[in-house]
Amino acid sequence: DTGVSQDPRHKITKRGQNVTFRCDPISEHNRLYWYRQTLGQGPEFLTYFQNEAQLEKSRLLSDRFSAERPKGSFSTLEIQRTEQGDSAMYLCASRQNNEQFFGPGTRLTVL
Amino acid sequence: AQSVTQPDIHITVSEGASLELRCNYSYGATPYLFWYVQSPGQGLQLLLKYFSGDTLVQGIKGFEAEFKRSQSSFNLRKPSVHWSDAAEYFCAVDNSGAGSYQLTFGKGTKLSVIP
Repeated sequence: DTGVSQDPRHKITKRGQNVTFRCDPISEHNRLYWYRQTLGQGPEFLTYFQNEAQLEKSRLLSDRFSAERPKGSFSTLEIQRTEQGDSAMYLCASRQNNEQFFGPGTRLTVL
Repeated sequence: AQSVTQPDIHITVSEGASLELRCNYSYGATPYLFWYVQSPGQGLQLLLKYFSGDTLVQGIKGFEAEFKRSQSSFNLRKPSVHWSDAAEYFCAVDNSGAGSYQLTFGKGTKLSVIP
């Protein structure tokens, strides 16, 4: 059984640049989540999809952030005009039977 | 709003000693509760979960947790810690009962193990 995968694992970018991350959930899991984790904190919810529909967004998800899941399979998270405060680990999870399975995360560093 | 409190930021134990990590939650309905473990630079691995029924749940790697509704607690325990257990541990509550399907996490407890 293939787990949740995320790409890239690490991203270093300069302030003001746009970045995009990809998440491939476990196949047949129709719910997909994005979380952000900063140093010394637990993961914080960003957004959630059921199939291709984005059903919930956190107030943490500013207008510079956009997420898509166009065919109800993989998902992308884009951050426009990155700021140093965006530096964090971005975690993706897929859900089945009330249990969320997490990917390895994408570590973003904004210089 | 739902919240999870892990009062201990950092705990150090000797290898072979017992371990208890505390977790308290604030939630209006019967919660789904989880413990996850995270090694440095890695994602989260599920240790165990509580949905209903027996309040003492067994997980992987010899961990167990006990749900106490009266104390709003879900503490994680292990009778004998191994050096490989050094990691960060997160307690989480699922908000499905409130119509939201996200997890709310505590801030984590970092476990160090002295050989």
